[in-house]
Amino acid sequence: ETVMTQSPTSMSTSIGERVTLNCKASQSVGINVDWYQQTPGQSPKLLIYGASNRHTGVPDRFTGSGFGRDFTLTISNVEAEDLAVYYCLQYGSIPWTFGGGTKLELK
Amino acid sequence: EVQLVESGGGLVQPKGSLKLSCAASGFDFNSYGMSWVRQAPGKGLDLVADISSKSYNYATYYADSVKDRFTISRDDSQSMVYLQMDNLKTEDTALYYCTVATTVAPVAYWGQGTLVTVSS
Repeated sequence: ETVMTQSPTSMSTSIGERVTLNCKASQSVGINVDWYQQTPGQSPKLLIYGASNRHTGVPDRFTGSGFGRDFTLTISNVEAEDLAVYYCLQYGSIPWTFGGGTKLELK
Repeated sequence: EVQLVESGGGLVQPKGSLKLSCAASGFDFNSYGMSWVRQAPGKGLDLVADISSKSYNYATYYADSVKDRFTISRDDSQSMVYLQMDNLKTEDTALYYCTVATTVAPVAYWGQGTLVTVSS
């Protein structure tokens, strides 16, 4: 199965900063990667699909990129509501697999 | 608006059974694949089972950890998806989410989840 490794596992930021979250696949998955945001006590929400496309209603401060094995989610001008755990999901090979998550916290 | 409402969770003893249900609305249920994803307390996300639409012959997938113990099914006439869980183990304790695919994402929308606790 394809292992998705997210880094860092947690990171601290300040409001207004730019942060980059990483997701690395153990084998190539093309552009078949989605990103999810899970705020405390809530179910995950789809942010990015197909590596770089924003889901409906997602602010343009969220940007996804990558192809093959390396993927990134960049959040520009972090807002308080962005403090959450972010997961990547690959569906380029079966079984679909999630990364372990990156927790974004306030510095 | 897409809505997914799970039910059926609860406390069950090891080796017991439980059936989860998910009521879907707000989209063309017949056309999309449905999945169950679980999240153990304080942990990450794991795909448990998936069932495709009629167009793909209701093909199913199960994670190795639940194969031969869990069964996913759907009732298109009622817009419902189910997860029959047998021979439950303590490691099955988790919040179980019902999810639906779209044309661009295999796990697009999530319900609020139903908690399954396996303990003696």
